[in-house]
Amino acid sequence: GAVVSQHPSRVICKSGTSVKIECRSLDFQATTMFWYRQFPKKSLMLMATSNEGSKATYEQGVEKDKFLINHASLTLSTLTVTSAHPEDSSFYICSARELGGRDEQFFGPGTRLTVL
Amino acid sequence: RKEVEQDPGPFNVPEGATVAFNCTYSNSASQSFFWYRQDCRKEPKLLMSVYSSGNEDGRFTAQLNRASQYISLLIRDSKLSDSATYLCVVYRSYNTDKLIFGTGTRLQVFP
Repeated sequence: GAVVSQHPSRVICKSGTSVKIECRSLDFQATTMFWYRQFPKKSLMLMATSNEGSKATYEQGVEKDKFLINHASLTLSTLTVTSAHPEDSSFYICSARELGGRDEQFFGPGTRLTVL
Repeated sequence: RKEVEQDPGPFNVPEGATVAFNCTYSNSASQSFFWYRQDCRKEPKLLMSVYSSGNEDGRFTAQLNRASQYISLLIRDSKLSDSATYLCVVYRSYNTDKLIFGTGTRLQVFP
Protein backbone atom coordinates (compact mmCIF):
# COMPACT_ATOMS: atom_id res chain seq x y z
CA GLY A 1 0.00 0.00 0.00
CA ALA A 2 0.82 3.73 0.15
CA VAL A 3 1.92 4.10 -3.45
CA VAL A 4 2.40 7.52 -5.00
CA SER A 5 2.84 7.96 -8.72
CA GLN A 6 4.15 10.90 -10.69
CA HIS A 7 3.81 11.70 -14.33
CA PRO A 8 5.79 12.34 -16.42
CA SER A 9 8.98 10.81 -15.11
CA ARG A 10 11.11 12.94 -17.36
CA VAL A 11 10.58 16.13 -19.34
CA ILE A 12 12.88 17.95 -21.70
CA CYS A 13 11.49 21.23 -22.94
CA LYS A 14 12.46 24.54 -24.46
CA SER A 15 12.81 27.68 -22.41
CA GLY A 16 9.49 29.48 -22.04
CA THR A 17 7.39 26.32 -22.08
CA SER A 18 5.02 25.49 -19.25
CA VAL A 19 5.28 22.00 -17.81
CA LYS A 20 2.64 20.19 -15.78
CA ILE A 21 3.53 17.42 -13.36
CA GLU A 22 0.90 15.16 -11.83
CA CYS A 23 1.11 13.47 -8.46
CA ARG A 24 -1.36 10.75 -7.53
CA SER A 25 -1.89 8.67 -4.44
CA LEU A 26 -2.94 5.32 -5.86
CA ASP A 27 -4.30 3.36 -2.95
CA PHE A 28 -5.02 5.91 -0.27
CA GLN A 29 -6.53 9.32 0.21
CA ALA A 30 -4.18 12.20 0.85
CA THR A 31 -5.46 15.42 2.32
CA THR A 32 -1.98 16.87 2.13
CA MET A 33 0.57 16.59 -0.63
CA PHE A 34 3.98 18.17 -0.70
CA TRP A 35 6.14 19.33 -3.58
CA TYR A 36 9.90 19.21 -3.30
CA ARG A 37 12.77 20.13 -5.54
CA GLN A 38 16.24 18.63 -5.45
CA PHE A 39 19.25 20.03 -7.25
CA PRO A 40 22.27 17.78 -7.87
CA LYS A 41 24.13 16.85 -4.68
CA LYS A 42 21.73 18.95 -2.60
CA SER A 43 19.04 18.03 -0.11
CA LEU A 44 15.36 17.95 -0.90
CA MET A 45 13.85 21.36 -0.42
CA LEU A 46 10.16 21.77 0.24
CA MET A 47 8.54 24.10 -2.27
CA ALA A 48 4.95 24.06 -1.14
CA THR A 49 2.34 22.21 0.86
CA SER A 50 -0.89 21.45 -0.90
CA ASN A 51 -4.16 20.76 0.87
CA GLU A 52 -7.14 19.39 -0.97
CA GLY A 53 -9.63 22.08 -1.81
CA SER A 54 -7.57 25.01 -0.59
CA LYS A 55 -4.70 27.17 -1.74
CA ALA A 56 -1.21 25.85 -1.45
CA THR A 57 1.21 27.20 1.14
CA TYR A 58 4.50 28.16 -0.44
CA GLU A 59 7.88 28.18 1.23
CA GLN A 60 9.84 31.38 1.40
CA GLY A 61 11.55 32.17 -1.86
CA VAL A 62 9.25 30.02 -4.00
CA GLU A 63 7.23 32.06 -6.48
CA LYS A 64 3.60 31.03 -6.35
CA ASP A 65 2.87 32.55 -9.76
CA LYS A 66 5.63 30.52 -11.33
CA PHE A 67 4.89 27.22 -9.62
CA LEU A 68 1.15 26.75 -9.81
CA ILE A 69 -0.27 24.04 -7.60
CA ASN A 70 -3.72 22.55 -7.82
CA HIS A 71 -4.99 19.90 -5.42
CA ALA A 72 -8.38 19.14 -6.88
CA SER A 73 -9.08 15.82 -5.19
CA LEU A 74 -7.89 13.60 -2.36
CA THR A 75 -5.75 11.63 -4.79
CA LEU A 76 -4.38 14.19 -7.22
CA SER A 77 -2.18 17.27 -7.03
CA THR A 78 -0.55 19.01 -9.97
CA LEU A 79 2.43 21.31 -10.18
CA THR A 80 2.77 23.54 -13.23
CA VAL A 81 6.09 25.19 -13.87
CA THR A 82 5.12 28.20 -15.94
CA SER A 83 7.49 29.67 -18.50
CA ALA A 84 10.27 27.33 -17.47
CA HIS A 85 13.88 28.47 -17.73
CA PRO A 86 17.13 26.51 -17.57
CA GLU A 87 17.55 27.35 -13.87
CA ASP A 88 14.29 25.49 -13.21
CA SER A 89 15.93 22.26 -14.35
CA SER A 90 15.77 19.99 -11.34
CA PHE A 91 14.32 16.83 -9.86
CA TYR A 92 10.77 17.52 -8.70
CA ILE A 93 9.33 15.07 -6.18
CA CYS A 94 5.91 14.97 -4.63
CA SER A 95 4.87 13.22 -1.48
CA ALA A 96 1.57 12.48 0.14
CA ARG A 97 0.43 11.98 3.67
CA GLU A 98 -2.41 9.59 4.27
CA LEU A 99 -5.68 10.92 5.62
CA GLY A 100 -5.72 10.02 9.29
CA GLY A 101 -2.27 8.52 9.03
CA ARG A 102 0.93 9.17 10.94
CA ASP A 103 3.53 11.82 10.15
CA GLU A 104 5.35 9.85 7.51
CA GLN A 105 5.11 10.85 3.89
CA PHE A 106 5.17 8.59 0.86
CA PHE A 107 7.15 9.84 -2.07
CA GLY A 108 6.47 9.68 -5.75
CA PRO A 109 9.25 8.53 -8.09
CA GLY A 110 10.06 12.09 -9.11
CA THR A 111 10.07 14.04 -12.35
CA ARG A 112 13.35 15.10 -13.88
CA LEU A 113 12.89 18.39 -15.69
CA THR A 114 15.47 19.64 -18.14
CA VAL A 115 14.88 23.05 -19.68
CA LEU A 116 17.02 23.79 -22.70
CA ARG B 1 23.17 26.74 10.76
CA LYS B 2 21.12 24.06 9.01
CA GLU B 3 18.18 22.67 10.90
CA VAL B 4 19.31 19.11 10.22
CA GLU B 5 23.02 18.38 9.89
CA GLN B 6 24.70 15.26 8.62
CA ASP B 7 28.22 14.32 7.63
CA PRO B 8 28.00 14.07 3.83
CA GLY B 9 30.60 11.30 3.66
CA PRO B 10 31.25 9.36 1.59
CA PHE B 11 31.70 6.38 3.84
CA ASN B 12 33.51 3.65 1.93
CA VAL B 13 33.27 0.34 3.76
CA PRO B 14 33.86 -3.31 2.84
CA GLU B 15 31.06 -5.83 2.76
CA GLY B 16 30.30 -7.13 6.21
CA ALA B 17 31.41 -3.99 7.99
CA THR B 18 29.39 -2.11 10.58
CA VAL B 19 28.88 1.56 9.87
CA ALA B 20 27.25 4.32 11.89
CA PHE B 21 25.76 7.60 10.74
CA ASN B 22 24.99 10.53 12.96
CA CYS B 23 22.66 13.44 12.61
CA THR B 24 21.89 16.47 14.75
CA TYR B 25 18.86 18.70 14.64
CA SER B 26 18.56 22.20 15.99
CA ASN B 27 14.87 22.59 16.74
CA SER B 28 13.86 21.08 20.05
CA ALA B 29 10.19 21.26 19.02
CA SER B 30 10.75 18.59 16.37
CA GLN B 31 8.33 15.77 16.84
CA SER B 32 9.16 12.79 14.72
CA PHE B 33 12.32 11.47 13.20
CA PHE B 34 13.07 9.24 10.27
CA TRP B 35 15.83 7.75 8.22
CA TYR B 36 15.21 7.65 4.50
CA ARG B 37 17.33 6.01 1.87
CA GLN B 38 17.82 7.62 -1.52
CA ASP B 39 19.41 5.87 -4.46
CA CYS B 40 21.01 7.89 -7.22
CA ARG B 41 18.40 9.80 -9.26
CA LYS B 42 15.54 8.18 -7.37
CA GLU B 43 13.03 9.29 -4.80
CA PRO B 44 13.66 8.87 -1.05
CA LYS B 45 12.25 5.73 0.49
CA LEU B 46 11.45 5.41 4.16
CA LEU B 47 13.95 3.16 5.89
CA MET B 48 12.69 3.46 9.43
CA SER B 49 11.17 5.77 11.98
CA VAL B 50 13.29 6.64 14.99
CA TYR B 51 12.05 6.42 18.56
CA SER B 52 13.58 7.46 21.86
CA SER B 53 13.57 3.86 23.00
CA GLY B 54 15.61 2.90 19.96
CA ASN B 55 14.37 0.56 17.31
CA GLU B 56 15.83 -2.20 15.26
CA ASP B 57 14.85 -3.62 11.90
CA GLY B 58 17.06 -6.49 10.86
CA ARG B 59 20.57 -5.14 10.31
CA PHE B 60 19.48 -1.56 10.95
CA THR B 61 19.28 0.10 14.35
CA ALA B 62 18.15 3.67 14.90
CA GLN B 63 18.50 5.70 18.06
CA LEU B 64 17.21 9.07 19.16
CA ASN B 65 18.60 11.22 21.97
CA ARG B 66 16.22 14.11 22.51
CA ALA B 67 18.37 15.74 25.19
CA SER B 68 21.32 15.98 22.82
CA GLN B 69 19.10 16.40 19.71
CA TYR B 70 20.99 13.61 18.08
CA ILE B 71 19.88 10.75 15.85
CA SER B 72 21.92 7.76 14.75
CA LEU B 73 21.67 4.89 12.32
CA LEU B 74 23.75 1.74 12.63
CA ILE B 75 24.06 -0.71 9.78
CA ARG B 76 25.53 -4.11 10.59
CA ASP B 77 26.91 -6.65 8.14
CA SER B 78 26.87 -4.16 5.24
CA LYS B 79 25.76 -5.45 1.85
CA LEU B 80 26.64 -4.09 -1.56
CA SER B 81 22.98 -3.20 -1.95
CA ASP B 82 23.20 -0.86 1.05
CA SER B 83 25.17 1.61 -1.10
CA ALA B 84 22.99 4.71 -1.20
CA THR B 85 22.55 8.09 0.42
CA TYR B 86 20.95 8.02 3.85
CA LEU B 87 18.81 10.99 4.72
CA CYS B 88 18.12 12.10 8.26
CA VAL B 89 14.64 13.61 8.32
CA VAL B 90 12.86 15.53 11.04
CA TYR B 91 9.17 16.33 11.20
CA ARG B 92 7.83 19.36 12.95
CA SER B 93 4.32 20.74 13.06
CA TYR B 94 4.72 24.07 14.79
CA ASN B 95 4.17 27.08 12.49
CA THR B 96 3.92 24.89 9.38
CA ASP B 97 3.96 21.18 9.33
CA LYS B 98 6.71 19.71 7.22
CA LEU B 99 9.63 17.35 6.89
CA ILE B 100 13.10 18.83 7.08
CA PHE B 101 15.74 16.86 5.23
CA GLY B 102 19.41 16.63 5.93
CA THR B 103 21.72 16.69 2.94
CA GLY B 104 22.36 12.99 3.37
CA THR B 105 25.31 10.75 4.06
CA ARG B 106 26.61 8.75 1.16
CA LEU B 107 27.53 5.12 1.78
CA GLN B 108 29.53 3.02 -0.65
CA VAL B 109 29.97 -0.64 0.20
CA PHE B 110 32.71 -2.39 -1.75
CA PRO B 111 33.35 -6.12 -2.25
